[in-house]
Formats: sequence, structure tokens, C-alpha cells
Amino acid sequence: EVQLVESGGGLVQPGGSLRLSCAASGFTFSSYWMSWVRQAPGKGLEWVANIKQDGSEKYYVDSVKGRFTISRDNAKNSLYLQMNSLRAEDTAVYYCARDQSYGDYDYWGQGTLVTVSS
Amino acid sequence: QSALTQPASVSGSPGQSITISCTGTSSDVGSYNLVSWYQQHPGKAPKLMIYEVSKRPSGVSNRFSGSKSGNTASLTISGLQAEDEADYYCCSYAGSSTFVFGTGTKVTVL
Repeated sequence: EVQLVESGGGLVQPGGSLRLSCAASGFTFSSYWMSWVRQAPGKGLEWVANIKQDGSEKYYVDSVKGRFTISRDNAKNSLYLQMNSLRAEDTAVYYCARDQSYGDYDYWGQGTLVTVSS
Repeated sequence: QSALTQPASVSGSPGQSITISCTGTSSDVGSYNLVSWYQQHPGKAPKLMIYEVSKRPSGVSNRFSGSKSGNTASLTISGLQAEDEADYYCCSYAGSSTFVFGTGTKVTVL
């Protein structure tokens, strides 16, 4: 059974940092692009970043470029999102998702809540 | 990277058909047959309902269908059921390995 389990969310002050993790199981993690998608409270979904199977390519939405870094460890079947210089507008539930092919997110985690507030 | 435009809400009676539109630009929806649709119930993770404009994942009811014309993609739910009441989001490839979601549509079953 495919499982994606996010962790690392919490309350952080503006300007602070947080590292999210996503533990994958039940499939060959190294064979898939992986993505982070977020959802602000009461708002819609927003694609945040993705990473190629071997980590050689990474892409970001403009609003997080230079602040967030996506990475993966295929030996540990884990996906990460390092978030720096956090802003109030980064407050959201962050989901990791498996990309079956070109944006077909066929499996999602349960999400982890990040709250940026003083 | 502007969000795709969806109607805020769509409603229908049980058994009826409804259609949700998703309007993008010639840089995303109009350029690629790579539009997917997601269903999200309150407090739950999104679920893939349609991919590559009109393909249905295994296990998704054939009451859900997708199409595209120009810069606008559409999701049709036929034989509307109470369990279809949820939020629906489209998503399109936007080039350079980036993606954009729609603004979301709340479907209400009357």
C-alpha cells in the first residue's frame, strides 16, 4: 500500500525556518517525481515545488524561489522541504504528493500544518 | 503562474449532471493535454479524479468525465450523488516542469 506521511509542521515566527519531511512507502520512491502542494486555511491548492527522480532537477513557484529548497534522499525514501525566511502568507497545510506523470498526483499525504505567526 | 479560473460554486440535484469549467491561457491549459482534476472533501487530502484531460484512474466512477477546448478544460459529473459534494480543483502543466492549480469549485448537491 502506497503511503506518504508528512511531518515537521508547527508554529514558527516570521523570518524563521522549518524543515518538512515526507516518508514514503509501498512503492519504488526513486522512480517518481515528487511534489509539495500547499493549502492556506480556507483557500485553494497551490503547487509549491517538485523534484526529479534523482534530485537533479528542482522547480518552484515564484513566491517561494530563493526561500524554499526541495530535496530527497532515495536511500531513506524521504522527501524534504526546507523553508527559510517564512512569511505569514506561507501559513498552510503542506502536502507531499507522488507525481504519476506530468502533474497527475495519484497519492497524497495527510498534510502537515505550518503556521507562521508572532 | 496565475491560478486557473474556476467558478466558485456549482450545484445540482441528485441524478442531474453538472459541469465545472477551468480556464487558463495558451501557456498552460491551451498548450498541453495535461490537465488533471481533484476532489477534496473537508479535512481530507485531494483525490485524483481525471488525468491527461479525460483519463480516469482505476476505481474512479465513470460518472466523472473530462474534456478540453482551447484554453478551457471541463469536468462533468453525471448522475450527481450526495457523496459528490466536495471541492474540486483542476491542475495544468504550465511548462518548464511547473504546474498551476485552479481556484477551486464547491459542488453542492441540493
